[in-house]
Amino acid sequence: GAGVSQTPSNKVTEKGKYVELRCDPISGHTALYWYRQSLGQGPEFLIYFQGTGAADDSGLPNDRFFAVRPEGSVSTLKIQRTERGDSAVYLCASSLGGLTGYTFGSGTRLTVV
Amino acid sequence: DAKTTQPNSMESNEEEPVHLPCNHSTISGTDYIHWYRQLPSQGPEYVIHGLTSNVNNRMASLAIAEDRKSSTLILHRATLRDAAVYYCIPDQGAQKLVFGQGTRLTINP
Repeated sequence: GAGVSQTPSNKVTEKGKYVELRCDPISGHTALYWYRQSLGQGPEFLIYFQGTGAADDSGLPNDRFFAVRPEGSVSTLKIQRTERGDSAVYLCASSLGGLTGYTFGSGTRLTVV
Repeated sequence: DAKTTQPNSMESNEEEPVHLPCNHSTISGTDYIHWYRQLPSQGPEYVIHGLTSNVNNRMASLAIAEDRKSSTLILHRATLRDAAVYYCIPDQGAQKLVFGQGTRLTINP
């Protein structure tokens, strides 16, 4: 596709459940980023992949959060034992590498009830 | 870390120029300055970036102070579609962009 695709666009889950959020980056983009955005705040960095490996996971808030990118394209953000505080919009971005020209998806709005 | 300061909000009128300021007084000599904007219910989108010289593209212009401690994003002729949150981001040499609170720009018809 022409842009970064994130699915689902909306997810409502019960506290304690497991969720997976998917990101399809632009074809050929080697760098992939996950961010989380709470209402009224700027996006908060979670993790960055260069190819298949997580080059920087310093933003993951705790060990309930995990992300993979096994073939260097699609990435999945996994959240275990969800909490109400995990409710936010989760944004994915990709780029050719370096810091220029991130392309963001429209995000997945996660609501934990 | 380069501390970035932007006004929380600004307002302008349609078809007028808009100057969005950003202070980054602790920026290092090799940090690029990136600007992104986020329209309602969308992910951020790239606007422009620069190092030392002023930069122009089809969306905007970026004026960087000679001492690089501040920069200004210039929208030459604002439209209602330019209403968004604008983020100024010095890259700090890291391989990731760190977003602050940004400036919420309102455009009046």
